[in-house]
Amino acid sequence: AQSVTQPDIHITVSEGASLELRCNYSYGATPYLFWYVQSPGQGLQLLLKYFSGDTLVQGIKGFEAEFKRSQSSFNLRKPSVHWSDAAEYFCAVVLTDSWGKLQFGAGTQVVVTP
Amino acid sequence: KAGVTQTPRYLIKTRGQQVTLSCSPISGHRSVSWYQQTPGQGLQFLFEYFSETQRNKGNFPGRFSGRQFSNSRSEMNVSTLELGDSALYLCASSLDSAASGNTIYFGEGSWLTVV
Repeated sequence: AQSVTQPDIHITVSEGASLELRCNYSYGATPYLFWYVQSPGQGLQLLLKYFSGDTLVQGIKGFEAEFKRSQSSFNLRKPSVHWSDAAEYFCAVVLTDSWGKLQFGAGTQVVVTP
Repeated sequence: KAGVTQTPRYLIKTRGQQVTLSCSPISGHRSVSWYQQTPGQGLQFLFEYFSETQRNKGNFPGRFSGRQFSNSRSEMNVSTLELGDSALYLCASSLDSAASGNTIYFGEGSWLTVV
């Protein structure tokens, strides 16, 4: 079945430490891939996306993600987290023949400690 | 340019009532999609409209419906509300297709509480 998996429901990280959030997908073809962030009570803000080309993509707020076709993964990273990075992060995919129909992972809640 | 605008932001309804939520997409965007977000089920796709036609539909009962107007604005309606319909309803807009420059943008959402 087609699915998006974020294995980590909750991650706690110290301010200044690195962060990596995992995302795996299961589709017959490579979908388009997105990472969104949601602060409490807010909508979703796009961090970055991958359609094709360079497999390491840069996003906003110092985030980057690496697409690995062989592992069906699209992991999000940040070298040094800030307290303002505390939020929920969602990986999402969309297929070319159903643009506009995003399928989301369950989300990873990130807590940043002093 | 203005982002995706959803109204109302917050509303409380009683079981059995119906509700209509509105979404104004980013200017020039003709694809509008709707999502329901709940703590238990996460983010689930409801439907997507393009040029006034429903192009994709998720697995929701017929009580959930939508439409899109000629100016690309969209509404969704939920009839005979149930307690389980309490959720954040998110609208997203984008250009037509999966061209490399396209992005799917979200509004701030409409918080619906059914009592």
